[in-house]
Amino acid sequence: EAGVAQSPRYKIIEKRQSVAFWCNPISGHATLYWYQQILGQGPKLLIQFQNNGVVDDSQLPKDRFSAERLKGVDSTLKIQPAKLEDSAVYLCASTPGIDTGETQYFGPGTRLLVL
Amino acid sequence: GQQLNQSPQSMFIQEGEDVSMNCTSSSIFNTWLWYKQDPGEGPVLLIALYKAGELTSNGRLTAQFGITRKDSFLNISASIPSDVGIYFCAGQFPGDYKLSFGAGTTVTVRA
Repeated sequence: EAGVAQSPRYKIIEKRQSVAFWCNPISGHATLYWYQQILGQGPKLLIQFQNNGVVDDSQLPKDRFSAERLKGVDSTLKIQPAKLEDSAVYLCASTPGIDTGETQYFGPGTRLLVL
Repeated sequence: GQQLNQSPQSMFIQEGEDVSMNCTSSSIFNTWLWYKQDPGEGPVLLIALYKAGELTSNGRLTAQFGITRKDSFLNISASIPSDVGIYFCAGQFPGDYKLSFGAGTTVTVRA
């Protein structure tokens, strides 16, 4: 079974530029998560989708971050404009449903460096 | 957000040694999870715990869900070089799907 796919794996941009990340979850997984992992910290949830609907975006900085999952399969996360403090690894994860306790399967992440 | 305190922050261990790390929370969790993250990869689930007092093993790994539901520990027995990585605890609050992660324990094995 293919895992969670993410691209690009690395991205370097200058502050105030825009950037987009892509995630393709495990086939058939209804729930998709985007996490931000700052160096030296654990992942922090940014947004959760179930199918193409947003379940929780309470920790998403909506003035600059946006995410969509239009067809309920793959998803994009965008930052516009980027700030220095956005430098982090952006992880995508998926689960079959939304039940608590389900195993979240993580992708390899996109490493973003904002200069 | 909720605070998960994970300790130690890092450790150097000799190959063959046993390793122990733990996580504490100020709030009760319904689920405790332990993940390992290798360099350049996403976290991979090692052990999931669903009941207070539960003790679960996965090969050389053993984890326990504390009786108070506010703590958990992970033991690695007879460490080997591939145990190198960052170990994260994560918890889920009652009725919630969100995972709250600790800051991680970085394990380095001396051959």
